[in-house]
Amino acid sequence: GESVGLHLPTLSVQEGDNSIINCAYSNSASDYFIWYKQESGKGPQFIIDIRSNMDKRQGQRVTVLLNKTVKHLSLQIAATQPGDSAVYFCAERPGGSYIPTFGRGTSLIVHP
Amino acid sequence: NAGVTQTPKFQVLKTGQSMTLQCAQDMNHEYMSWYRQDPGMGLRLIHYSVGAGITDQGEVPNGYNVSRSTTEDFPLRLLSAAPSQTSVYFCASSSLTSGGQETQYFGPGTRLLVL
Repeated sequence: GESVGLHLPTLSVQEGDNSIINCAYSNSASDYFIWYKQESGKGPQFIIDIRSNMDKRQGQRVTVLLNKTVKHLSLQIAATQPGDSAVYFCAERPGGSYIPTFGRGTSLIVHP
Repeated sequence: NAGVTQTPKFQVLKTGQSMTLQCAQDMNHEYMSWYRQDPGMGLRLIHYSVGAGITDQGEVPNGYNVSRSTTEDFPLRLLSAAPSQTSVYFCASSSLTSGGQETQYFGPGTRLLVL
């Protein structure tokens, strides 16, 4: 079946570097995409979202890029901080569905 | 607002026991859902509800029941616990925003161990 997946299970960066977390999706009917951050022992927390009629959206230190041609989603974190260390999930929601489908997650490790 | 609350935080069960995981939200969200998260995995949808009195199955519904008698509460019942149900369970709620988008809020999770 169709699924959401991530290219890199673990990403290690130095504090102050920019981080890029990638996600591939295969459901062409998806029209809404979300990135979540999950810290150890906590539930996922919404970071940023993007609709399929956009290719870029910026938040505070984060940017999400959507490439519908190759069904690819990325999360860019500027000036990564130790507090950014967490597991990051992308999720997709097909048009007409209320509930998103989650990928497996990427663990981001930020070294001071 | 308390957001999404879940009880208990931790639970140990013996095979065959039943229990109910509680979930409540105070944001008047229409949509609520239950996920399970296993080590190294993403979240898998168990059941969801788009409003009071309406529930539907997700990806992994077997062994679980839900009901939605009120907007606020969405309990998850394990009928006869099995070791394969050892997992971390997350409840989430969401609502459509004015822009048509949905922001999903998660509870802190219930860690369940079935012996």
